[in-house]
Amino acid sequence: GDSVTQMEGPVTLSEEAFLTINCTYTATGYPSLFWYVQYPGEGLQLLLKATKADDKGSNKGFEATYRKETTSFHLEKGSVQVSDSAVYFCALPYTYSGAGSYQLTFGKGTKLSVIP
Amino acid sequence: EPEVTQTPSHQVTQMGQEVILRCVPISNHLYFYWYRQILGQKVEFLVSFYNNEISEKSEIFDDQFSVERPDGSNFTLKIRSTKLEDSAMYFCASSEDRGRGNFGPGTRLTVT
Repeated sequence: GDSVTQMEGPVTLSEEAFLTINCTYTATGYPSLFWYVQYPGEGLQLLLKATKADDKGSNKGFEATYRKETTSFHLEKGSVQVSDSAVYFCALPYTYSGAGSYQLTFGKGTKLSVIP
Repeated sequence: EPEVTQTPSHQVTQMGQEVILRCVPISNHLYFYWYRQILGQKVEFLVSFYNNEISEKSEIFDDQFSVERPDGSNFTLKIRSTKLEDSAMYFCASSEDRGRGNFGPGTRLTVT
């Protein structure tokens, strides 16, 4: 079935370092792809999304490009801040029945800690 | 910006008891979901709800689980007889269309 495989952490970086969190997907067709973020003690927030191949999603300095040829959607940020410390989840929508709702399947999450 | 809300934020219950977790989805959304996250593990889909009925459910969503939209605004998840392994964070989500989803802050369920 459709799934995402995400680089597992934890990842610890110094402030202003470059961040990459890898995500690859297996899917029938070309689904939308998402990155969600979970700050400590909080729920899931949509960080960014891309709906088709070569789309680049971006938000809060984070970017991810939907690459069909490598089935990847890696998350990047040029200069991380302490406030970026959180768990990041790659996700894609899927359906069991093909006609129902499309719920999300998530990667295992990557915990990022940014130290001053 | 409208948000999904969930109550309570934390529920402690004894094994074998029934619990009801409540969610208020965003008002113009049509699809509703429950997910759970066991501590330290990935977020897992439980069930989706559309047009007043279950649309899809995972293998986790067995007979001890049920969902309801009792009054057109609330969306509830009931666990009939809780087990220790039901301890998790439960997230409600809603969406205008298929996929994506605006997530609520979660209810932490602790079964003792």
